[in-house]
Amino acid sequence: AQKITQTQPGMFVQEKEAVTLDCTYDTSDPSYGLFWYKQPSSGEMIFLIYQGSYDQQNATEGRYSLNFQKARKSANLVISASQLGDSAMYFCAMREVYNQGGKLIFGQGTELSVKP
Amino acid sequence: GAVVSQHPSWVICKSGTSVKIECRSLDFQATTMFWYRQFPKQSLMLMATSNEGSKATYEQGVEKDKFLINHASLTLSTLTVTSAHPEDSSFYICSAAVQENTEAFFGQGTRLTVV
Repeated sequence: AQKITQTQPGMFVQEKEAVTLDCTYDTSDPSYGLFWYKQPSSGEMIFLIYQGSYDQQNATEGRYSLNFQKARKSANLVISASQLGDSAMYFCAMREVYNQGGKLIFGQGTELSVKP
Repeated sequence: GAVVSQHPSWVICKSGTSVKIECRSLDFQATTMFWYRQFPKQSLMLMATSNEGSKATYEQGVEKDKFLINHASLTLSTLTVTSAHPEDSSFYICSAAVQENTEAFFGQGTRLTVV
């Protein structure tokens, strides 16, 4: 069963607008972490934001925020004020503390294109 | 954040030869390292988990005799693609876990082309 699901293969957004990238997950582990990474064409993985399963508040990092809805098992990434440099692949990932020994499992990815 | 260095960044090799990829944690000790494989426009697929001083744990469907992983020290893990074939051409990327930390730190990746 797919543990991390990103249903948007590609997204377009106008420069300076906000965009939401969807991510749902499935786990029975009571302790887990959710991550978002950006991967530009160079291939490097750039860490954006982290949300722990016990965190009460939604995580925020600059223009990035994570809309964490635990009951719905979703962890959507919101990018505000999009910039041309935001064009890249975005991956949602999950780490289960007890079930999977801490390994990071990735979703299928969303390719974001920012239009000028 | 912590730095993970992966080398080489790209390599071209002939079919039948072996290629070694190194993953080093430069400023921290990584008890666990993970090796991923990524095809163009696809996700990162976990190949194996490498623990210092013990045998690697491979994911289902990954040939352990073809993808040899060695984690001899707390700062170095290597992936050797043995008897490479064109279908092994892919982007390979490692990541290191820091104990008591939440973030996974990634190497720059290695683009392997087998001709």
